[in-house]
Amino acid sequence: NAGVTQTPKFRILKIGQSMTLQCTQDMNHNYMYWYRQDPGMGLKLIYYSVGAGITDKGEVPNGYNVSRSTTEDFPLRLELAAPSQTSVYFCASKRLAGGDNEQFFGPGTRLTVL
Amino acid sequence: DAKTTQPPSMDCAEGRAANLPCNHSTISGNEYVYWYRQIHSQGPQYIIHGLKNNETNEMASLIITEDRKSSTLILPHATLRDTAVYYCIVRVRGGTASKLTFGTGTRLQVTL
Repeated sequence: NAGVTQTPKFRILKIGQSMTLQCTQDMNHNYMYWYRQDPGMGLKLIYYSVGAGITDKGEVPNGYNVSRSTTEDFPLRLELAAPSQTSVYFCASKRLAGGDNEQFFGPGTRLTVL
Repeated sequence: DAKTTQPPSMDCAEGRAANLPCNHSTISGNEYVYWYRQIHSQGPQYIIHGLKNNETNEMASLIITEDRKSSTLILPHATLRDTAVYYCIVRVRGGTASKLTFGTGTRLQVTL
């Protein structure tokens, strides 16, 4: 298994541009998550999904959108990029609900908005 | 989810045991203690988790106090590759989303 993969690894955007961060997992996990991590800080949850067709907001959803049309893919969309969205973005997946199993993380996408 | 408190940084000599403490004094009976680590510029990596018994795997040991208000992650023989930020997270056993709430963690520096 490749696990959780993210593309691109790096991206520079201009203010007002839009882009989609891709996330794919091949472990048939139902639960998927998007986090952002600002320099020197912990991760903050943006959006999550408990299965195909179901998404919900996390702690910091403003400025982002997601969709979950398949089990494998969970893209994150930035419509009007702002400098405050400069961050490292991590996608994660998890097999089951509940506290007794771990999340697997992708390698991250480093986004800079100028 | 219960809040956790960790020291911001620790040092450890290579080959020695690294003992990373975590305080979670408001933990509920149905909450697990999870440990993740993040090596520079990489995604977080799961280490271990436990409910009330001590746990051990190939990476580390987790010691949870009897009252469950604190825990210690033990890396028995730290190497330079263990230099990372270590996150202690308390997560409810049930629930539909299983979200993780990350704090700022402990930055462990392993030195020669």
